[in-house]
Amino acid sequence: ELKVEQNPLFLSMQEGKNYTIYCNYSTTSDRLYWYRQDPGKSLESLFVLLSNGAVKQEGRLMASLDTKARLSTLHITAAVHDLSATYFCAVGELTSGSRLTFGEGTQLTVNP
Amino acid sequence: DAGVIQSPRHEVTEMGQEVTLRCKPISGHDYLFWYRQTMMRGLELLIYFNNNVPIDDSGMPEDRFSAKMPNASFSTLKIQPSEPRDSAVYFCASSVKDTQYFGPGTRLTVL
Repeated sequence: ELKVEQNPLFLSMQEGKNYTIYCNYSTTSDRLYWYRQDPGKSLESLFVLLSNGAVKQEGRLMASLDTKARLSTLHITAAVHDLSATYFCAVGELTSGSRLTFGEGTQLTVNP
Repeated sequence: DAGVIQSPRHEVTEMGQEVTLRCKPISGHDYLFWYRQTMMRGLELLIYFNNNVPIDDSGMPEDRFSAKMPNASFSTLKIQPSEPRDSAVYFCASSVKDTQYFGPGTRLTVL
């Protein structure tokens, strides 16, 4: 059974600071996703990572994937308040078709 | 594109009643997913369809839950009878290739 673990689960940081959210998964995968969820809202796709060494950046967020270590990171650069949200990683198993398993989510709060 | 459409957005019902949640996927998407989100259990996949055919329903909690997709533009998730522990936000998502696009969700409260 695929397990997906994120850490930290809660992150409070100051504006302007950098930080990294980690996503570990337990079995071989060929695709990893990062989503953002604002309180009371739906999930918004941020990044799709489909190969080892993939790196994608959008604004102050950068995601990377190391399939050998079964690890993805979401790096936040110079955080701003608007980044406050819950961030989920989701992993697809090689043999599971389109099924995704989601991590618990990291609740990020950026303080002024 | 209007995105994934779900209805109703909020549903309050009493224990024992039947509840039907509806979803219209993005046009052209051939996968449709039903998820449930709670504080205790996080985001759980209930069932997903490919080309209107159920592929994996292993996440459906019990026989009280059923899902159908009669055509490419419509799916329902039914709970009969509903119980207070079914209270959650239910999301529908659709995809054509890699990325799943989520609907706004239905917040279900069972009293």
